[in-house]
Amino acid sequence: KNEVEQSPQNLTAQEGEFITINCSYSVGISALHWLQQHPGGGIVSLFMLSSGKKKHGRLIATINIQEKHSSLHITASHPRDSAVYICAVAFRTGGGADGLTFGKGTHLIIQP
Amino acid sequence: NAGVTQTPKFQVLKTGQSMTLQCAQDMNHNSMYWYRQDPGMGLRLIYYSASEGTTDKGEVPNGYNVSRLNKREFSLRLESAAPSQTSVYFCASSNDRIYGYTFGSGTRLTVV
Repeated sequence: KNEVEQSPQNLTAQEGEFITINCSYSVGISALHWLQQHPGGGIVSLFMLSSGKKKHGRLIATINIQEKHSSLHITASHPRDSAVYICAVAFRTGGGADGLTFGKGTHLIIQP
Repeated sequence: NAGVTQTPKFQVLKTGQSMTLQCAQDMNHNSMYWYRQDPGMGLRLIYYSASEGTTDKGEVPNGYNVSRLNKREFSLRLESAAPSQTSVYFCASSNDRIYGYTFGSGTRLTVV
């Protein structure tokens, strides 16, 4: 089973700061997901990566397959970015579906 | 477009009672999943269905059963609820590795 480690577990920053959340995993994968969960809320998929880098608005996700490492960056952070960010790695099940193994999440608070 | 719809959103059960969590998706996805989320732990896979008519156990299947009624619907049943099944349950669906995952809004279940 893949072990997924995220750091930091908790992060408090000031509005406008550049944020980095890291994710490492133990076994090679085909895809990695970054997810966002607001308190008491559902889970939203931000990115799915298999190589390189993706950007969406102020969010940037990178992955280094050889190093088994991914990062999620938030530029010009805003209080509405406050949420739990979860890294999850995909594995192909015996039945042919794509299960996910999740990290425990990074709880981000952006203060005004 | 609704995406993935879960019902109910909240439920309190007494130990030994049974219930079914409903999930439906309108994205024509082949694969559907049930995960549970517990404090301090990452989400864990309970059961999945790679396609209509197939279901398989995930990491934590004990105490649960599932039914893939058709391509749209995937239900999770607790036959005899236990306090250890107190959790937030998420249904998700995916098509292939290009399009990633879509999650439902979750069901918060308390077993007393």
